[in-house]
Amino acid sequence: ELKVEQNPLFLSMQEGKNYTIYCNYSTTSDRLYWYRQDPGKSLESLFVLLSNGAVKQEGRLMASLDTKARLSTLHITAAVHDLSATYFCAAYSGGSNYKLTFGKGTLLTVNP
Amino acid sequence: DGGITQSPKYLFRKEGQNVTLSCEQNLNHDAMYWYRQDPGQGLRLIYYSQIVNDFQKGDIAEGYSVSREKKESFPLTVTSAQKNPTAFYLCASRSAGSYDGYTFGSGTRLTVV
Repeated sequence: ELKVEQNPLFLSMQEGKNYTIYCNYSTTSDRLYWYRQDPGKSLESLFVLLSNGAVKQEGRLMASLDTKARLSTLHITAAVHDLSATYFCAAYSGGSNYKLTFGKGTLLTVNP
Repeated sequence: DGGITQSPKYLFRKEGQNVTLSCEQNLNHDAMYWYRQDPGQGLRLIYYSQIVNDFQKGDIAEGYSVSREKKESFPLTVTSAQKNPTAFYLCASRSAGSYDGYTFGSGTRLTVV
């Protein structure tokens, strides 16, 4: 059974600082997804990582995937308040049903 | 614009009642999913459907039921057998053969009163 673990679960940052959120998964998976959720809202797709070594960047966020280490990272550069949200990673567990297993999420708060 | 519509946004249930959450998509997606979100618990899969008239249990299906009579619609019924139904419910869909992951609806917040 695929398990996905994120850390940290809570992250309080100052504006302008850098930080990384880690997403470890327990069994082989070559597809990893990152989502953002604002309070009381739906999940918005951020990145789709489909192969070992994949790196995607959008603004101040950069995601990478290392399938051998079963690890994905979401790096935040020079954080701004607008990045405050909960970030989820999700791994594909294989099979035709395309089930995604989600981590518990990282609540990011960026303080001025 | 294409998307997924969940209704209602807020729903209150009395003890012993069944309630149905609506999920409709106009994305022409084949697969649809229901997740439950509790604070600090991430998302847990309740039911999913790959094609019309077929669906499978997810990790926490007890106390829930679904139907898939139309490709566009995947309603979720929370039955009285679900002892702790207060949560945020998210519906999602995806296109078969796509690696893009899921598109999510805006969610329904269910509260037991």
